[in-house]
Amino acid sequence: GAGVSQSPSNKVTEKGKDVELRCDPISGHTALYWYRQSLGQGLEFLIYFQGNSAPDKSGLPSDRFSAERTGGSVSTLTIQRTQQEDSAVYLCASSTHVGSGYTFGSGTRLTVV
Amino acid sequence: AQSVTQLGSHVSVSEGALVLLRCNYSSSVPPYLFWYVQYPNQGLQLLLKYTSAATLVKGINGFEAEFKKSETSFHLTKPSAHMSDAAEYFCAVTPPTGANSKLTFGKGITLSVRP
Repeated sequence: GAGVSQSPSNKVTEKGKDVELRCDPISGHTALYWYRQSLGQGLEFLIYFQGNSAPDKSGLPSDRFSAERTGGSVSTLTIQRTQQEDSAVYLCASSTHVGSGYTFGSGTRLTVV
Repeated sequence: AQSVTQLGSHVSVSEGALVLLRCNYSSSVPPYLFWYVQYPNQGLQLLLKYTSAATLVKGINGFEAEFKKSETSFHLTKPSAHMSDAAEYFCAVTPPTGANSKLTFGKGITLSVRP
């Protein structure tokens, strides 16, 4: 597609439930990134996929968070047993190379009640 | 590890006034630097980038930034603010490698423009 597509745009879930967030990057972009944006916290790196290399998971806050990227394209971020502190906007971005900068999606706003 | 510092969380200017948003970086080698803008309920949009070519970089919407190695700075400026410039602005840094790598973002600055 023309841009990075994220779904759903909004998600309200009950504490303790699992959620899946989807990211469809720009076709041909080899790198895909997930960030979390919380009020007053700026953008927090979560995970980064580059081609067929092992992902950089160094930013995942706990083992309740996981992500996969299938076929080098679509990515799913899964949060298990959601907690209220997981409420945030989850942003996905893709790029061809670092010098080009990222193209961001519009994000998924997750609210855990 | 690389980092960026954006001093202050909020800047307010009058329409037509100079916009200056500060960004200082910490890095052992001159990094790649980026400015992004985020409008309400939207993702981030790339304004401009420094990738070791010209030190004065021009971006979209009349913004520009100058890379100053001696000051470890990459401040964002616009000569004349417009109401539509009201948004949140993020500075970001990454190592100057050819491969992809993650961006490290500052905490962002909210720009308000007064009529």
